[in-house]
Amino acid sequence: AQSVSQHNHHVILSEAASLELGCNYSYGGTVNLFWYVQYPGQHLQLLLKYFSGDPLVKGIKGFEAEFIKSKFSFNLRKPSVQWSDTAEYFCAVNAMDSSYKLIFGSGTRLLVRP
Amino acid sequence: SQTIHQWPATLVQPVGSPLSLECTVEGTSNPNLYWYRQAAGRGLQLLFYSVGIGQISSEVPQNLSASRPQDRQFILSSKKLLLSDSGFYLCAWSPDRAGIVDGYTFGSGTRLTVV
Repeated sequence: AQSVSQHNHHVILSEAASLELGCNYSYGGTVNLFWYVQYPGQHLQLLLKYFSGDPLVKGIKGFEAEFIKSKFSFNLRKPSVQWSDTAEYFCAVNAMDSSYKLIFGSGTRLLVRP
Repeated sequence: SQTIHQWPATLVQPVGSPLSLECTVEGTSNPNLYWYRQAAGRGLQLLFYSVGIGQISSEVPQNLSASRPQDRQFILSSKKLLLSDSGFYLCAWSPDRAGIVDGYTFGSGTRLTVV
């Protein structure tokens, strides 16, 4: 069965620091990859997605993620975080042979200190 | 545009009581529908999904059940709640096509506390 690992459960950064959140998945076939964000008190929102083409994808609010197939990874990055980026971030994988399901990681809580 | 409604937002129920959480989608037809449970530190666990009326797939053995009586309605139920059923339940939908290219759209969730 597919699984998704997010190794950083809690991350604390100061404003303007760079961010990288790790995401690894276990599945050898074709995948679609996603990062979701949940701001305090709000819905889960799609941050960015990858399904083909350029492995470096850009999302909203200056976030980007790089798909490295050989490492089964899809790490999320932002060069300079803001206080408003405080949220919980979830990586998710859709394996193409389980075409209806998204499997989520356990999430990373990011706290950005002003 | 498509919208998803989920209610109630919060619910406090005694152990042994029944449960019914409802989710409806507007502005689309034949959506794929999902129930997830979100627990702190454990991310989102897929409980059930449905690709059509009356078609329910269960992902984990549990005290809950799901039904899809209409195309855009998805219901999460229990006959007798357990303390361990407490959690945050999320409904989501995706377009009916192979592969989830656009991800899911999530509802606002229901916070269930079993006492």
